[in-house]
Amino acid sequence: AQSVTQPDIHITVSEGASLELRCNYSYGATPYLFWYVQSPGQGLQLLLKYFSGDTLVQGIKGFEAEFKRSQSSFNLRKPSVHWSDAAEYFCAVGLMEYGNKLVFGAGTILRVKS
Amino acid sequence: DVKVTQSSRYLVKRTGEKVFLECVQDMDHENMFWYRQDPGLGLRLIYFSYDVKMKEKGDIPEGYSVSREKKERFSLILESASTNQTSMYLCASKTGGGVEQYFGPGTRLTVT
Repeated sequence: AQSVTQPDIHITVSEGASLELRCNYSYGATPYLFWYVQSPGQGLQLLLKYFSGDTLVQGIKGFEAEFKRSQSSFNLRKPSVHWSDAAEYFCAVGLMEYGNKLVFGAGTILRVKS
Repeated sequence: DVKVTQSSRYLVKRTGEKVFLECVQDMDHENMFWYRQDPGLGLRLIYFSYDVKMKEKGDIPEGYSVSREKKERFSLILESASTNQTSMYLCASKTGGGVEQYFGPGTRLTVT
């Protein structure tokens, strides 16, 4: 069955430090991949997406992610974290054969310390 | 800009009540979705709709039903609310051939 794993439930980084959030997926074909962010009490906002082509994708707020087919991974990175990045981050896979339904990971809560 | 709105941000209901959660999108999207979000479980799909009057069960449909009488509106119904349905409920929409889903702000439902 299709699944998405975000192995880190919580991550704490210092402001200005670099960030990497991990995401691994299980899916037979090349998937559509997404990262969403949810600030406290808010809905989900799309950070970036991968459909095909260049495996390094740029998103909003200075985030980027790299698709690695051999590792079934789509890790999210940011070179310098700001306090406003504290939020919960969700990785998701789009399933083409199911009308592009999304399967989400459990989420990673990012805390930023000053 | 795509806008997805949900009728309530916070809702408190009693066990056994019938609960309606409403979602409206303004971009003429064919597909609409209802998810529930629980800590440590991410988002799980309850129901989705490919078009008006069409609905499909998602991964956790038990205890829920849906209604889509108009293209822009997708309602989630809890026929008899229970405490284990206390959760955050998120609505989303997308075009029929698209992949990216657009989310509403969510409704935090508490059943006491």
